[in-house]
Amino acid sequence: GAVVSQHPSRVICKSGTSVKIECRSLDFQATTMFWYRQFPKQSLMLMATSNEGSKATYEQGVEKDKFLINHASLTLSTLTVTSAHPEDSSFYICSATGSTADTQYFGPGTRLTVL
Amino acid sequence: ELKVEQNPLFLSMQEGKNYTIYCNYSTTSDRLYWYRQDPGKSLESLFVLLSNGAVKQEGRLMASLDTKARLSTLHITAAVHDLSATYFCAVDISRGQNFVFGPGTRLSVLP
Repeated sequence: GAVVSQHPSRVICKSGTSVKIECRSLDFQATTMFWYRQFPKQSLMLMATSNEGSKATYEQGVEKDKFLINHASLTLSTLTVTSAHPEDSSFYICSATGSTADTQYFGPGTRLTVL
Repeated sequence: ELKVEQNPLFLSMQEGKNYTIYCNYSTTSDRLYWYRQDPGKSLESLFVLLSNGAVKQEGRLMASLDTKARLSTLHITAAVHDLSATYFCAVDISRGQNFVFGPGTRLSVLP
């Protein structure tokens, strides 16, 4: 149980375009989802926390107008990188927690490359 | 601000040797996780430590937690090449709602 999926696993896009990444909880209801970013050879850094039906809470230094997060259902959250630039290239990992769980379950990650 | 430190950041060791990775954190917490990450992959959960004095073992890895010292250790016994990966500790300061990761320890086990 407690499986989290992400789609796509890899995406390459041109600078200036927008990219949407999906995070799904497959076998539980995710009341809270988290989005992390990981640059090469670095640790995971929390970008934002989203609760179903509410606006996401962004960490300091993360542009909410650039990284749009939607958590419209208890099994799906999306991260849209708007007007992507090469410096947005990174590994994006989502995690989720349910109402009865007090831990986070991590997705397999999405590798974004912006040319 | 919570700080999580790992020591060492890089570790190169020979097969068959033992070593310990340390994770120090700066605030009160009794919940700590260890993860393994292979290149290009996401996190694989290794251990969940939920109380002071907790000790967990799986194969050649053993993790412990001392909440009073704010210290967790990941001990490697008789290392093998397959253990080569990056290991992260993560401190949970809000029962699943707030994880803070350490910088990671990149382990390379040489034949």
